[in-house]
Amino acid sequence: DVKVTQSSRYLVKRTGEKVFLECVQDMDHENMFWYRQDPGLGLRLIYFSYDVKMKEKGDIPEGYSVSREKKERFSLILESASTNQTSMYLCASSFALYELSYEQYFGPGTRLTVT
Amino acid sequence: RKEVEQDPGPFNVPEGATVAFNCTYSNSASQSFFWYRQDCRKEPKLLMSVYSSGNEDGRFTAQLNRASQYISLLIRDSKLSDSATYLCVVIPTALSGGYNKLIFGAGTRLAVHP
Repeated sequence: DVKVTQSSRYLVKRTGEKVFLECVQDMDHENMFWYRQDPGLGLRLIYFSYDVKMKEKGDIPEGYSVSREKKERFSLILESASTNQTSMYLCASSFALYELSYEQYFGPGTRLTVT
Repeated sequence: RKEVEQDPGPFNVPEGATVAFNCTYSNSASQSFFWYRQDCRKEPKLLMSVYSSGNEDGRFTAQLNRASQYISLLIRDSKLSDSATYLCVVIPTALSGGYNKLIFGAGTRLAVHP
């Protein structure tokens, strides 16, 4: 059974703080993703990675950076948190194989509040 | 215009009812379509793929209408456990090895009551 874990379920940070969100998957997936989910907007892709040390911008990368030093771990960094980054953050992973790459496995999410 | 649009609902239905959701997509070149399910305060999970000829999985039927650019999900004999948000997902390009970008709709909420 695929397991994607995220370091925190709930997080409260102050404006201007540096925030680290960690994600770990145990299925040896090549692809990993970070999304944010907001009411009425659905899931929006922030960054993804298809290999160790590789990263690609998604649709809303501004204000975020990522790090993938090991295959199983993908970190999202908010360099200077702002109130408009208050959201639910979801990590996901998937195989890179053609016939399997469409199924993404999600972690439980981190609800981040920036005050 | 959003790439993938869904009626947010909620759809409130009694147990045993049949309910259907539609989802429209804007990119006519889109190739692959899926429904994900997200329970309250949980992560999304793949429910089923949507094939051109339509497909069934138990009480769930998914259909694709390329001419009108929409997909649908029909749930028959609704159960209390079907209460969730149903996310429409579109891949706007042909599937390829490596990475395929998923475009998520905002979801349709279903509430099944006794």
